[in-house]
Amino acid sequence: GAVVSQHPSRVICKSGTSVKIECRSLDFQATTMFWYRQFPKQSLMLMATSNEGSKATYEQGVEKDKFLINHASLTLSTLTVTSAHPEDSSFYICSAREDRGLIYGYTFGSGTRLTVV
Amino acid sequence: GNSVTQMEGPVTLSEEAFLTINCTYTATGYPSLFWYVQYPGEGLQLLLKATKADDKGSNKGFEATYRKETTSFHLEKGSVQVSDSAVYFCALSDQQAGANSKLTFGKGITLSVRP
Repeated sequence: GAVVSQHPSRVICKSGTSVKIECRSLDFQATTMFWYRQFPKQSLMLMATSNEGSKATYEQGVEKDKFLINHASLTLSTLTVTSAHPEDSSFYICSAREDRGLIYGYTFGSGTRLTVV
Repeated sequence: GNSVTQMEGPVTLSEEAFLTINCTYTATGYPSLFWYVQYPGEGLQLLLKATKADDKGSNKGFEATYRKETTSFHLEKGSVQVSDSAVYFCALSDQQAGANSKLTFGKGITLSVRP
C-alpha cells in the first residue's frame, strides 16, 4: 500500500533557529500534500495545501513567512518552521494525496514532535 | 461548507464490550467517508472507508456504513480489545472537488479499553 515517510520523528531546537521537516511519498507520486498541526488532545488543524511546482495554499491564520512549504517534486514536500519559538512546539503531520482517477486516497506520515526550548 | 461532527469523548470501555462511535456529516455533493485511527505518538492510519451511499467499510473487526439518509457514518466493533485504545477520527472528502479535494476531520474521540 501507499507509504508516506516523515522525518524527523522528533526534534528539539533552540528558540530562534529554523527546523525543516520532510515528507516523502515512497511508492506513489503525490501532486498534492497537506500539512497539519495537532495540539495535545485536539484534532488536526490544516495549515496548508502543498502543490507540486506551485506555491502552497495556506489556511486562514497561518503565517506564510513562518511556515515555509516547498513541494519541488512529486514525492517530496518540506515544511520549514523559521525562527521557531516555544509556542511553535507541537506535533506536525503531513499527508499525501494519491490520485486514482475519480477516487482520492490520503496517506499520513508518522508525525514530527517539535519542541522549541 | 463541509463539516464532520463526532460524539463527545472520551470513551472508556471494558475489554470485549461493544463499541459505537457516532459520526455525522454535512457536505455538498457526494463525499467519501473515512475513519482514521491515531495511536499515541504516531500519525494517522486509515481504518476503513466508504465511497458511496450504503457502502460498508470494514477492517480489523470495525465496521461503518455510509448512510446518506441520516448523513451518518457510525463506527462499530462488537468486541473491543485493549490494543484498540487510540484516538479515532471521522473524516470526509469531497471527491467532486477534483484537484481541490481534501479531508475534513471531526474533532476525534479518545477510546480507552480496560483489561
